[in-house]
Amino acid sequence: GAVVSQHPSRVICKSGTSVKIECRSLDFQATTMFWYRQFPKQSLMLMATSNEGSKATYEQGVEKDKFLINHASLTLSTLTVTSAHPEDSSFYICSARDIPSGPSYNEQFFGPGTRLTVL
Amino acid sequence: TQLLEQSPQFLSIQEGENLTVYCNSSSVFSSLQWYRQEPGEGPVLLVTVVTGGEVKKLKRLTFQFGDARKDSSLHITAAQPGDTGLYLCAGAWQSNYQLIWGAGTKLIIKP
Repeated sequence: GAVVSQHPSRVICKSGTSVKIECRSLDFQATTMFWYRQFPKQSLMLMATSNEGSKATYEQGVEKDKFLINHASLTLSTLTVTSAHPEDSSFYICSARDIPSGPSYNEQFFGPGTRLTVL
Repeated sequence: TQLLEQSPQFLSIQEGENLTVYCNSSSVFSSLQWYRQEPGEGPVLLVTVVTGGEVKKLKRLTFQFGDARKDSSLHITAAQPGDTGLYLCAGAWQSNYQLIWGAGTKLIIKP
């Protein structure tokens, strides 16, 4: 159980275009999902916390107008990188937290990540 | 300032040797998690420790949570090439369950 999927796994786009990344919890409901960015050989950097039915909370230094997050249901959150530039190229990872009454509320379950390359 | 100090950041040892990775903080965590990540994949949860002084074993891996819940260690006995990967510790605060991440330990086990 506790599987999180991400789509796409890899995406290459041209500078100036927008890219949408989906994060789904497949076998549990997640009121909270987290979006991370990871540079090569480094740890995860939290970008934003996404709560179902409300606005996302962004970490300091993360542009909310550039990284649009939508958490419309208990199993899906999306991250849209708008007007992407080469410096946005990175590995984006989402995680999902079980609902408060779920058995694994104390844990986050991670997706496999999405490699974004902006040309 | 890193809230969760993880060390060493890089470790390359021979197969069969033992090793320990440390995560230390001045903050008290409600729980601490250890993850292993392969290149191009998301982190995979190895263990969650919750109680101060708790010790958990996962085959050749031993995880310990400090009595004050501020630090943790991962000990690998008789390391094997399959243990190669990036090991990450992450502490959670009960207030919001956001994870505070260590910098990671890149572990290479040479055959």
